[in-house]
Amino acid sequence: AQSVAQPEDQVNVAEGNPLTVKCTYSVSGNPYLFWYVQYPNRGLQFLLKYITGDNLVKGSYGFEAEFNKSQTSFHLKKPSALVSDSALYFCAVRYDSGAGSYQLTFGKGTKLSVIP
Amino acid sequence: GAVVSQHPSRVICKSGTSVKIECRSLDFQATTMFWYRQFPKQSLMLMATSNEGSKATYEQGVEKDKFLINHASLTLSTLTVTSAHPEDSSFYICSARKVGTGAHGYTFGSGTRLTVV
Repeated sequence: AQSVAQPEDQVNVAEGNPLTVKCTYSVSGNPYLFWYVQYPNRGLQFLLKYITGDNLVKGSYGFEAEFNKSQTSFHLKKPSALVSDSALYFCAVRYDSGAGSYQLTFGKGTKLSVIP
Repeated sequence: GAVVSQHPSRVICKSGTSVKIECRSLDFQATTMFWYRQFPKQSLMLMATSNEGSKATYEQGVEKDKFLINHASLTLSTLTVTSAHPEDSSFYICSARKVGTGAHGYTFGSGTRLTVV
């Protein structure tokens, strides 16, 4: 069975400092991994994904994530945090539920607070 | 880019009534649409997967007769919460996967906040 773990409920970081939001996964086969951001009372916005290729994936708004197969991790990073980055972040892994119906399993989310 | 429009964004209804939520892919055709439910400070829980022209596949524990899903076209899926009760109050989010993107492209609607009073 597939699963995603986000070990931190909340991450606090000072504006301008680098940030990391952690994610580990478990899935059969090659992992397809995603990061999404959610602002209050809004849907999810896509940040980036890893399908194959370079382990360092660059995405929207200056975010990047590093795929580490041996550690089954896909941590989200940003070199310099902005107050506007404060939001809820979800890591997700794709799995095939059958008949080509690919679904996403989400982690529980990590609330990022960037302190001015 | 791919855009999914979800309406209404917020709805309040009386207990016992039904509410319909629409999810439209505005600039692409969606082979598959997903419906999620999100409780406060929790992750998204997949309720059902719908493929255009066929019956939705519901996740375990989700009542089919209560949460009616219709995916009549490649651009529209609807979720109807029938005989709503206060415990159905939640944030509902749809997601659409674009035809031809394989398993890569998921676009989410902006969500619907349902409050049953």
